[in-house]
Amino acid sequence: SQQGEEDPQALSIQEGENATMNCSYKTSINNLQWYRQNSGRGLVHLILIRSNEREKHSGRLRVTLDTSKKSSSLLITASRAADTASYFCATEQAGTALIFGKGTTLSVSS
Amino acid sequence: EAGVVQSPRYKIIEKKQPVAFWCNPISGHNTLYWYRQNLGQGPELLIRYENEEAVDDSQLPKDRFSAERLKGVDSTLKIQPAELGDSAVYLCASSLRPEGEQYFGPGTRLTVT
Repeated sequence: SQQGEEDPQALSIQEGENATMNCSYKTSINNLQWYRQNSGRGLVHLILIRSNEREKHSGRLRVTLDTSKKSSSLLITASRAADTASYFCATEQAGTALIFGKGTTLSVSS
Repeated sequence: EAGVVQSPRYKIIEKKQPVAFWCNPISGHNTLYWYRQNLGQGPELLIRYENEEAVDDSQLPKDRFSAERLKGVDSTLKIQPAELGDSAVYLCASSLRPEGEQYFGPGTRLTVT
């Protein structure tokens, strides 16, 4: 079963624009993580935000978490063609493994 | 630091044949995971190991799938016999602790014909 659900399913933007992806989940969590997957590759961890945190930054990435709405967003600023990939949110509850959503496919054109 | 290593990268077999996947996690990572990823979906956990102990195998179809992690390092995932619906990418991941970021291998793309 998949707890996280990303929105939109697909996003196409121009280089230099910002990209925002959203993730909603159903039950309380310990942390929420975002991963990137380039075509034909494994997943790469981007950022982890704990349930008691509201916002985290890493380079051009900004993640927010709203536990009252059970939602998170991933913002990529000043997108580059190399950001083209699928992005997955994954939730972790106490004592259980990560549950991934279906992902958002981001396409950045130059 | 070497990443998670998986082999083979690609495998094509006929249905009812057996197949095995191998994973070597990052050195020192006690937790190892096997995931299955269908096209257009996120990864779904098959089994999680803490050292050599399988602590979560609730999603592993035990009638045809088996896994082992001898000595708490390398791991092998086997399917016997394979079915058409097993076509997917099989991902191995490892982590330093049970919670936190996971490091993924490149995956094995299995095609069952």
